[in-house]
Amino acid sequence: GAVVSQHPSWVICKSGTSVKIECRSLDFQATTMFWYRQFPKQSLMLMATSNEGSKATYEQGVEKDKFLINHASLTLSTLTVTSAHPEDSSFYICSARVFGRESTDTQYFGPGTRLTVL
Amino acid sequence: AQRVTQPEKLLSVFKGAPVELKCNYSYSGSPELFWYVQYSRQRLQLLLRHISRESIKGFTADLNKGETSFHLKKPFAQEEDSAMYYCALSGFNGGATNKLIFGTGTLLAVQP
Repeated sequence: GAVVSQHPSWVICKSGTSVKIECRSLDFQATTMFWYRQFPKQSLMLMATSNEGSKATYEQGVEKDKFLINHASLTLSTLTVTSAHPEDSSFYICSARVFGRESTDTQYFGPGTRLTVL
Repeated sequence: AQRVTQPEKLLSVFKGAPVELKCNYSYSGSPELFWYVQYSRQRLQLLLRHISRESIKGFTADLNKGETSFHLKKPFAQEEDSAMYYCALSGFNGGATNKLIFGTGTLLAVQP
């Protein structure tokens, strides 16, 4: 099946620094990847849609200058949290979209990255 | 507005009992509905989608457009069904890309 990896699985950083999270589709190409944020005991909230070779589409309320997304290849999307602050601490999850039969599409999720900003 | 509502945060049942996880949605067009499951310490994974009309691990879900519901059902719960279940709706982002809108999730706890 389609496998999506994320690196790192967890990261601790100091306030004011930037952190890059990678999302890779291991055995397929993904023109579209999605970035979600999940707070403890809450649902996944879509942050942005990442399209290979073009600018990401951000959801309302998500600062594009703070959460930089780059989708330079069909197997890699990166999320950079710039000038991180404690309130950015969260679980970040990516997914990659695969088209299947009957014009359906399925999102395959990565394992997530736990970010803690001190 | 597009919205997915899962009214129960926690559903606790005994092994062998029937299970119904409720999901209601709000969507102006023709939606595509999904159930995702997250087992302890594992990633989110697709359980089933309404257009497939499949039974996965004994679970079924029927889309009821009149009641705007997509409840997940299983006649006899097993302990290994204990997990977090998310109902999701696929909507369009300006017609360009489908995106998933998730409900808040229901934690199913199956007691022995």
